[in-house]
Formats: sequence, structure tokens, C-alpha cells
Amino acid sequence: QVQLQQWGAGLLKPSETLSLTCAVSGGSFSGYVWSWIRQPPGKGLEWIGEVHQGGVTNYNPSLKSRVSISIDTSQNHFSLKLNSVSAADTAVYYCARYYDYWSGPFDTWGQGSLVIVSS
Amino acid sequence: SSGLTQDPEVAVALGQTVKITCQGDILRLSHASWYQQRPGRAPVVVILDDSKRPAGIPSRVSGSRLGDTASLTITAAQAEDEADYYCHCRDTSDHLLVFGPGTRVTVL
Repeated sequence: QVQLQQWGAGLLKPSETLSLTCAVSGGSFSGYVWSWIRQPPGKGLEWIGEVHQGGVTNYNPSLKSRVSISIDTSQNHFSLKLNSVSAADTAVYYCARYYDYWSGPFDTWGQGSLVIVSS
Repeated sequence: SSGLTQDPEVAVALGQTVKITCQGDILRLSHASWYQQRPGRAPVVVILDDSKRPAGIPSRVSGSRLGDTASLTITAAQAEDEADYYCHCRDTSDHLLVFGPGTRVTVL
């Protein structure tokens, strides 16, 4: 059964760069779409963006100017970078597998990483 | 990408039926999935492709989609159904993924 294990810095100062990595184990890395989703405290889910095996990406327009998602098929992991963070970026960040490009669903999730942005 | 709307919260008596709806033009051309999220936990998919249940999801959970509205119905609600529920789909016009704002279900 596929599992996602994510890690990265949990406390950032304003203007720094958020960096998270998600490792895929127990299943195939190819043929799926790999996404990042975040959830500010007490709020709903926000899709950040996705990457496909060939490195093709899609981003939420509200974050597109600051976000980069990359994939490393040799290491079976994918990564998120969000630059120039502010307090508004404080959230739990999840990595997730999107099973089918058109209909999904997000069938496997990482454990979540709380990222706090504070001076 | 246009959005999805959901009622913020709904209450249901133990053992009764609750229906949650998700509305948006993008649903006319997209399949919906639904996620249950309990406090402090990652979301779990409970419905995919509008009406399919993943393994392990009880049959009292069902989904449907008609026009611009997707629905999630829980019959004979149990205490463990108390959670936040999010609808989701991919917008076929711009390929972006969209979540609804979520519905908090309280079981009385």
C-alpha cells in the first residue's frame, strides 16, 4: 500500500522560503499526479498545485507567482517551495496522490506538516 | 476557475439522514469526490466519481451528481460521522483543482 512521508522546516520568518518534501513508498510513482494542499488553522482545504511524472505542473493562480513544485523520479519524491512567506501562509501542508488526472480522487495523503510563519 | 459552494454547517439527529450539497458550474462537466476530515486528521475520500465508495466506506454513505450540484447523503447517521466534509473536482476549462469550502456535520 502506497504511503507518503513528508518533512520540512516547521517555523519560518516572514520573507523566507518554505520547503517541503514528500517521499512515496510502497507503490508506483509513475502514472499518477502528485499534489500539495494546505489548510490554515480553522479553515478549509486549499489546493496549491500539482506535478506529473514528466515534470509538468499546474498551480493555483493565487499562489502561482511564489510556488514551485518539482519531482525526482529517481528518488521517488516530490517537493514544494513557496517563497516570500508571510503569516498568511501559516497552515498545515499536505502532500497527496491524485489517482486519475480528470477524476481523482486524492486517495493517499501525507501526515501533514504544520508550518508557522512568525517573526 | 469558478468556485464550489457548500452550506457551512448542518446538524443531524443520531440515526437520521443528512444530505450535503455542493454547487458550481464546473460540476456540469466534472466528476465530484467527497472527503471527510475529522479534527487533527488528514482528509479521507468517502466518495469518488460522483457516487463510488472506496473500500472501507460504509454503504450508508452515498453520492450523486445532477447538473451543477453534487450531493453526499449519510443515512442513519452515527456519532463517528461528525466531521467536516469537502467536495472537490477538476475544472475542465483550466485544469485547476478546486475544493468546496466545507460543511461541518454535527450529530446530535
